[in-house]
Amino acid sequence: GEQVEQLPSSLIVQEGASVLINCSYTDSASVYFPWYKQEPGKRLQFIIDIRSNMERKQTQRLTLLFDKKTKHLSLHITATQPGDSAIYFCSASTGNNRIFFGDGTQLVVKP
Amino acid sequence: EAAVTQSPRNKVAVTGGKVTLSCNQTNNHNNMYWYRQDTGHGLRLIHYSYGAGSTEKGDIPDGYKASRPSQENFSLILELATPSQTSVYFCASGDARGGAEQFFGPGTRLTVL
Repeated sequence: GEQVEQLPSSLIVQEGASVLINCSYTDSASVYFPWYKQEPGKRLQFIIDIRSNMERKQTQRLTLLFDKKTKHLSLHITATQPGDSAIYFCSASTGNNRIFFGDGTQLVVKP
Repeated sequence: EAAVTQSPRNKVAVTGGKVTLSCNQTNNHNNMYWYRQDTGHGLRLIHYSYGAGSTEKGDIPDGYKASRPSQENFSLILELATPSQTSVYFCASGDARGGAEQFFGPGTRLTVL
């Protein structure tokens, strides 16, 4: 089945810095890629997604890039704030109602 | 208000005991899911459902049963709990159409002693 890998597993940055989280997947049939954020002790919350017919999507301080050829995504967060501290999950779906998750990237933003 | 709720939020059980985790959603979604989250493993799918009366095995179903008595409710049942099932369990709901985000509950922290 689909395997989703995220790198790095953890990041520590100063407030105001930009961060990049990389994600790769294995199943070429995957067409939908939602990302989630989980603050400490909280539920996962959807933050951004992209479909396989797109290369780029941007919302506020988040930019998501997608390369279908290399099966690679990257999430760019600009002007980080302490409130961005969370675990970020990449996921992939073939559109059959199942989503496969990566192991997450722990982001710590220091004030 | 939260559209996916879980109960209990915390549970301590004894080895060999029966545990039932409950999930309720008001999104009117056909699909519901149970995941467990362990450090270093992300989220792993245990069981899911396409609608009332249906349950499907996920990637790690051994030791777990599921029940979907209605559109709104989805339960995860541990008939004989073991310490290896100590984890945080998340329920989620999602639209039946392909390629849609899932909405998560707040999680249940289960400790099996």
